[in-house]
Amino acid sequence: AQSVTQLDSHVSVSEGTPVLLRCNYSSSYSPSLFWYVQHPNKGLQLLLKYTSAATLVKGINGFEAEFKKSETSFHLTKPSAHMSDAAEYFCVVSDPPPGTALIFGKGTTLSVSS
Amino acid sequence: GAVVSQHPSRVICKSGTSVKIECRSLDFQATTMFWYRQFPKQSLMLMATSNEGSKATYEQGVEKDKFLINHASLTLSTLTVTSAHPEDSSFYICSARYRGSYEQYFGPGTRLTVT
Repeated sequence: AQSVTQLDSHVSVSEGTPVLLRCNYSSSYSPSLFWYVQHPNKGLQLLLKYTSAATLVKGINGFEAEFKKSETSFHLTKPSAHMSDAAEYFCVVSDPPPGTALIFGKGTTLSVSS
Repeated sequence: GAVVSQHPSRVICKSGTSVKIECRSLDFQATTMFWYRQFPKQSLMLMATSNEGSKATYEQGVEKDKFLINHASLTLSTLTVTSAHPEDSSFYICSARYRGSYEQYFGPGTRLTVT
């Protein structure tokens, strides 16, 4: 069975500094991996997804993530944080075939200070 | 493209009443829809999966008689919370996918408060 672990429940950075949100996954297959962002009382927005193509995935708003099979990791990074990046971030795994239920990590709260 | 809407965005109901939440795919045919529940500052928990024209498949621990899900068309799924109690207060989020897609497209969520 698949699972996902977000290693930090809360990350605090200063505006303009790099962001690193860590995610490890467990899957018996070649999974699909996603990062979603949720702003307070809002729905989820897809930041990026990995579906067995390029291991370095670029997403929206300057975010990117690298799929490392040997480390079973899919960490999310951004070179320079912006105040508007403050939100809840979820790492999500899904086994094939397409349409299998998504398994969510517990989430990481990103705080950005000026 | 791939927009999912939910209605209402917020609802307050009295204990013992029922409330219906709609989830619509606006620009694609949703062969599968999912319903999630999110408690404050927690992750999303899958409640059930529904395929158009079929009965929903509920996750372990979710009462199917309390959370009635109907997926009668390729663009609409409804979640009815029957005999609501204060502990049913939560943020309910739906998502939808089209055939062959890895991705689920999420609605904006519905905040249910039971008084």
